[in-house]
Amino acid sequence: EAQVTQNPRYLITVTGKKLTVTCSQNMNHEYMSWYRQDPGLGLRQIYYSMNVEVTDKGDVPEGYKVSRKEKRNFPLILESPSPNQTSLYFCASSLDRSTDTQYFGPGTRLTVL
Amino acid sequence: AQSVTQLDSQVPVFEEAPVELRCNYSSSVSVYLFWYVQYPNQGLQLLLKYLSGSTLVESINGFEAEFNKSQTSFHLRKPSVHISDTAEYFCAVIPTGGGNKLTFGTGTQLKVEL
Repeated sequence: EAQVTQNPRYLITVTGKKLTVTCSQNMNHEYMSWYRQDPGLGLRQIYYSMNVEVTDKGDVPEGYKVSRKEKRNFPLILESPSPNQTSLYFCASSLDRSTDTQYFGPGTRLTVL
Repeated sequence: AQSVTQLDSQVPVFEEAPVELRCNYSSSVSVYLFWYVQYPNQGLQLLLKYLSGSTLVESINGFEAEFNKSQTSFHLRKPSVHISDTAEYFCAVIPTGGGNKLTFGTGTQLKVEL
């Protein structure tokens, strides 16, 4: 089954404790992105990757890091989480063109105390 | 840069009634337009998209949207809604020139009641 998976689905942590949210897709997609969803703000792109070892900032990259060492994986790293990073996070992937549908993971709900 | 406006944050409607969810966009370049749907506790999934050609596009579950370039709008409509249509709907755009950054609106929560 073609899918995007994220782990963990739920996470409660404390300020400053490094964490990683994993994202994996099995569709051999070139593009992968991370979004955060906040009430009243819709979804905003954090980082995206056009291929292995190629990443770039989205609209709200501050406080986040990403890496793309393999085509299928695109982890999101919060090295020192803060309460304003409490949000719902989605990973998405698509083929290689802007016309292509983006496929979203199920989301990771993160709470930073 | 692009921006998307969904003025209605919530739209309550009775089952079998028609509904229209409004979407307007602003962009200095040509864009492709999308509607994504998010069912409770799930990720987003594509509902329909406009790339080129006929300005009226349809989804498999009865929704349709019409691209109006002069009004920079892409409103979503359904003539008769069902309880199962209860979800949050997001309008999004992406430049035709490339890239994969979707710019989303703030979403419209459609609540269908009996």
